[in-house]
Amino acid sequence: EAEVAQSPRYKITEKSQAVAFWCDPISGHATLYWYRQILGQGPELLVQFQDESVVDDSQLPKDRFSAERLKGVDSTLKIQPAELGDSAMYLCASSLITEAFFGQGTRLTVV
Amino acid sequence: QQQVKQSPQSLIVQKGGISIINCAYENTAFDYFPWYQQFPGKGPALLIAIRPDVSEKKEGRFTISFNKSAKQFSLHIMDSQPGDSATYFCAAKTGGSTLGRLYFGRGTQLTVWP
Repeated sequence: EAEVAQSPRYKITEKSQAVAFWCDPISGHATLYWYRQILGQGPELLVQFQDESVVDDSQLPKDRFSAERLKGVDSTLKIQPAELGDSAMYLCASSLITEAFFGQGTRLTVV
Repeated sequence: QQQVKQSPQSLIVQKGGISIINCAYENTAFDYFPWYQQFPGKGPALLIAIRPDVSEKKEGRFTISFNKSAKQFSLHIMDSQPGDSATYFCAAKTGGSTLGRLYFGRGTQLTVWP
């Protein structure tokens, strides 16, 4: 069964350091999403790609967060510098048309 | 502003009982309403979804009821089992468009006691 792959599963980083997450969507899915989920809350969209183009990054803190999907396949989300408040689960999802399928997420802890 | 409002925040049900989770929305542009199930440490998994042209959709023990005029929809879990214990999220999207954004409710933590 096709899955959205994310790595790493867990990441502990010190405040002010850089951190990066990787996502490989389901093959053929043109739409890719990065969500942030704070413990006890629902996922919130950070950025949405259609192929290699950003279609929605209105909620992305652009002073420290960046995302790219250079060849329209896999994607990287970067945080630099990390802050204590960035501790959360970072989820990647992909979609062909309507249904969005999520990966296992990366649990980030900033210390 | 919360686009999708979900209640209750937590729910405790006895094994064999019915679990009911409710959601409400305001944006009439939404036309796709999925429910996701999430276990601790895992990503959300798509459980069941409905479009507003039908009032009910059933898949096994899971049923979505949809009230378009009231802008409300709910998830019913029949014969609830301990394995159903998880966090459930309702969501809404402009499903007809690949560019639609998925908005989530805050989640309901379901505990089913044996």
